[in-house]
Amino acid sequence: EVQLVESGGGLVQPGGSLRLSCAASGFTFSDHYMDWVRQAPGKGLEWVGRTRNKANSYTTEYAASVKGRFTISRDDSTNSLYLQMNSLKTEDTAVYYCARVPLTGYPLDYWGQGTLVTVSS
Amino acid sequence: DIQMTQSPSAMSASVGDRVTITCRASQGISNYLAWFQQKPGKVPKRLIYAASSLQSGVPSRFSGSGSGTEFTLTISSLQPEDFATYYCLQHDSYPYTFGQGTKLEIK
Repeated sequence: EVQLVESGGGLVQPGGSLRLSCAASGFTFSDHYMDWVRQAPGKGLEWVGRTRNKANSYTTEYAASVKGRFTISRDDSTNSLYLQMNSLKTEDTAVYYCARVPLTGYPLDYWGQGTLVTVSS
Repeated sequence: DIQMTQSPSAMSASVGDRVTITCRASQGISNYLAWFQQKPGKVPKRLIYAASSLQSGVPSRFSGSGSGTEFTLTISSLQPEDFATYYCLQHDSYPYTFGQGTKLEIK
């Protein structure tokens, strides 16, 4: 059974940093691209970014709203996905989901339960 | 960036109704479109991928169609569990973009 479990959310002050993790199981993590998606309270979904697999040099893509501040990485040895968030703004307050891109390339077939990040002073 | 415009933003319907939600892309995206359902407090769930392919386990009353810039999600006969918010997602080019959502409420 595919499982994705996020952790690391919490309260952080504007300008601060936070690192989210996503633990994957039930599939061959190293084969898959992985995405992060977020949802501000009461708002719609926003795609945050992607990491590709080793075969594609672990390259990344980002939304303009987070580019230069957020970094997506992965550790295939521990089946873990990460989202390093720096220079956080109040508008980054959201539930952050990790989600799998299936080998067909059509995203996002499995999602984690999400972790809440609150940026506030 | 490609803009995805969903219509309507909200609607009310009755059990048994046929419902259609539209998503328009600001430029052609071939069939690189997915539909997701999200119930309050729950994780989004993929219903349709490649514009018209039904996700395994999703009831056949859901269907998707379209290509290029205009896409539709149709629910042929609404069931009580279908009242939720629906989102389209384009994955033709980066950054990927979601529609703003369509909230489907009980009439």
